[in-house]
Amino acid sequence: QVQLKETGPDLVQLTQTLSITCTVSGFSLTTYNVHWVRQPPGKGLEWMGAMWNGGGTDYNSAFKSRLSISRDTSKSQVFLKMNSLQTDDTAKYFCARHTTVDPYFDYWGQGVMVTVSS
Amino acid sequence: DIQMTQSPASLSASLGETVTIECRASEDIYNGLAWYQQKPGKSPQLLIYNANSLHTGVPSRFSGSGSGTQYSLKINSLQSEDVASYFCQQYYNYPTFGGGTKLELK
Repeated sequence: QVQLKETGPDLVQLTQTLSITCTVSGFSLTTYNVHWVRQPPGKGLEWMGAMWNGGGTDYNSAFKSRLSISRDTSKSQVFLKMNSLQTDDTAKYFCARHTTVDPYFDYWGQGVMVTVSS
Repeated sequence: DIQMTQSPASLSASLGETVTIECRASEDIYNGLAWYQQKPGKSPQLLIYNANSLHTGVPSRFSGSGSGTQYSLKINSLQSEDVASYFCQQYYNYPTFGGGTKLELK
């Protein structure tokens, strides 16, 4: 069955770099797109960026200068890397999939809660 | 960016009641709209896509409607398991979400 699972640190120091891995199963990264979405505690959802099935990427302009998304199709993994973390980057980070034909998020990972500590 | 304005921010309703949540887009999104349900500590779950199509396995008491810039999610005969937050999301352009509606039981 379709699964996405995020793994990453619970705590990141101020100004440091966040690295999160999304490991997927039940589908191919060359067929489906995988996106990153985050949610600060008690707040709404914010789209961060996408890894397209063809290997291209797109980013929310709010993050573009410090966000990088990549993948390893042989391991069915998509990676998020964001530098210069601030306290307002404290959030739950989700990966989610969609297709280009049906561009809504039909499956989500359980998310990883990351706290940025000073 | 397309802005999504969702209302109300919170809602209190009784079991069996019908509730409606609204979402307004800053420009025409041509029915490129999804609704998600999120329970505390969990990830969002897709309810409705293409503004009015029910996702597989979602109870028929949920329905979506709208066009252009105005969309709504209706829950008929509210059940206790419907207590959750609800978010709209447009995908006509790069994804943006509404601010969410927290639904509680009265």
